[in-house]
Parts: sequence; structure tokens; C-alpha cells
Amino acid sequence: EVQLVQSGAEVKKPGESLKISCKGSGYSFTSYWVGWVRQMPGKGLEWMGIIYPGDSNTRYSPSFQGQVTISADKSISTAYLQWSSLKASDTAMYYCARGSSSFDYWGQGTLVTVSS
Amino acid sequence: DVVMTQSPLSLPVTLGQPASISCTSSQSLVHSDGNTYLSWFQQRPGQSPRRLIYKVSNRDSGVPDRFSGSGSGTDFTLKISRVEAEDVGVYYCMQGTHWPRTFGQGTKLEIK
Repeated sequence: EVQLVQSGAEVKKPGESLKISCKGSGYSFTSYWVGWVRQMPGKGLEWMGIIYPGDSNTRYSPSFQGQVTISADKSISTAYLQWSSLKASDTAMYYCARGSSSFDYWGQGTLVTVSS
Repeated sequence: DVVMTQSPLSLPVTLGQPASISCTSSQSLVHSDGNTYLSWFQQRPGQSPRRLIYKVSNRDSGVPDRFSGSGSGTDFTLKISRVEAEDVGVYYCMQGTHWPRTFGQGTKLEIK
């Protein structure tokens, strides 16, 4: 069974760094792209970027380029989304999902709250 | 970026009645490989999104056959033949042809 299991909810202060994770199982992790999607409170889905764990090829939306870093450790079938300096506006639910031209499996989401 | 425009944004429907959601892209979604990468997702309250349809009209495993997708080029439609209570939620289209991928704004389906 394909599963994407994300790390737990985080509460951080502005300016802090954060790395959240997404562990894939039940399929060949290195053979599928993994993407990240943001959903701000009460809002729609925003495509952030994706990574191909097989060779770490990464594509970002211009809206998120330079704001976040997407990475992967294929040895533990895990993709990451990280921030070096969080802002209050980063408060959102973040989903990982499998695929490139479409997303067929989704993680359960990681809620990130940034507040002083 | 390719802009995906959905309508309506709010869709009150009576149980058992049909529903239709439109999605229009600012550029053709026909890929150079001949495929059209337009997907539909359902997000029920408090849940992760779930894919219903991929490549315009292909239903995912386990998706009831009351859901169907159609369209071509820049104009696409998701239809629900007879709305059930479990269909309440927000529906999104997404294009996977151009970089960056983009979603529509979402259509909130509610029971009248």
C-alpha cells in the first residue's frame, strides 16, 4: 500500500528555522516525483515545488523559489521542506504528494504555526 | 504561470441532483507528448485532497462512477451525475502540463 506519512504539527516563532518531512512507503521512492502543496487557513491549494528523489532534480514555483528548500534522502525514502527564517505568513497546512503531472497519493498534512 | 479559473466558486446542490464544475486554463494543456494533464481533486472538510480524475477523463480506482471528467484544450468540466451527502467539500482542478503546475481556486459544493 502506497503511503506518505508526514511529520507532526509545529509551532515556531518568526525568524526560526524548520524542516518538515514526508516518508514514502509501499513503492519505489526513487522512481516517483514528490511534491509539496501549501494551504493557508481557509484558502485553496498552492503548488510549491517537486523533487525527483532518484537524482534530486528539483523544480520550484517562482512564488516559492528562494523562500523554501525542497530536498530528499533516498536512503530513508524521505522528502523534506525547509525554511531558514519563518514568517507569520508561513502559517499553513503543508501537504506532500506523489507525482509530477498529477498527484495520486497525498500525505496527511503538517500544520505549521508561526507566531510570536 | 498558467492560470486555472474555476466556476462557480460556490455550488449549492440538492441531494440526488446533478452538479457541474467548469475549469478553464489560460493556455492549452495539450502536452508535447500528446497527453492533456488536467486532474480533479476533492477535499472533504478536515481531510487531505484526494484525486478523482486524471488526464481529463480517467477515474481513479475507488472513485464512484457518478464522477466524470471531460474537455479538451483549455476548457474542462467535472460532472457529478447525482450528488450524495459524502460529496460535500471543495473541488480543485490542476494542470500538470506546464511549469509550474497550478491549481484552480476551488469550488465549494454544499447541499441545499
